[in-house]
Amino acid sequence: SAVISQKPSRDICQRGTSLTIQCQVDSQVTMMFWYRQQPGQSLTLIATANQGSEATYESGFVIDKFPISRPNLTFSTLTVSNMSPEDSSIYLCSVEVGTVNTEAFFGQGTRLTVV
Amino acid sequence: DAKTTQPTSMDCAEGRAANLPCNHSTISGNEYVYWYRQIHSQGPQYIIHGLKNNETNEMASLIITEDRKSSTLILPHATLRDTAVYYCIVSYHKLVFGAGTILRVKS
Repeated sequence: SAVISQKPSRDICQRGTSLTIQCQVDSQVTMMFWYRQQPGQSLTLIATANQGSEATYESGFVIDKFPISRPNLTFSTLTVSNMSPEDSSIYLCSVEVGTVNTEAFFGQGTRLTVV
Repeated sequence: DAKTTQPTSMDCAEGRAANLPCNHSTISGNEYVYWYRQIHSQGPQYIIHGLKNNETNEMASLIITEDRKSSTLILPHATLRDTAVYYCIVSYHKLVFGAGTILRVKS
């Protein structure tokens, strides 16, 4: 299993600013992912955070808006840049431990409100 | 896009079995069927997954049809705490969430 700590748990930010969300795992993991959950909606995959290399982004998400770092096997950050009210969402970190096609663990999310 | 179809919502009486269906007619040979649930304001929780065979764990059972085009998640004795959104996902590498099924367990 894996225990995920996300920080901050929530924040209220001014439009035009940026927020960096941290995801810390209590053990080394193979895969790390970032998701967005807009109000009342399902989860949307933003990107796969690759250790030591650039993240792999899904369609509709770009590095300039959502830069991601993953310096090691237990830590990743997601930055939401130049925020607008449309970025108000819950952002979730997810990890897989071990081989492909195993269970994924999710953090409790960061609830972001942009005003 | 999600490759699964689920009912929008379902009700279940407390103590009864909850049977949640999922259609995935375009599933590929190497894709697994996963079930997760999300209780309000929490991150998704893994329930179970399988490739071809039926699976059972302490939480639930997963029944996959022989042609793998549909599956059913069974919660054997639903409780009020099982009220959540249940997501059926077919995946080889990364999880793509659909709209899910809102399960309401009622006393």
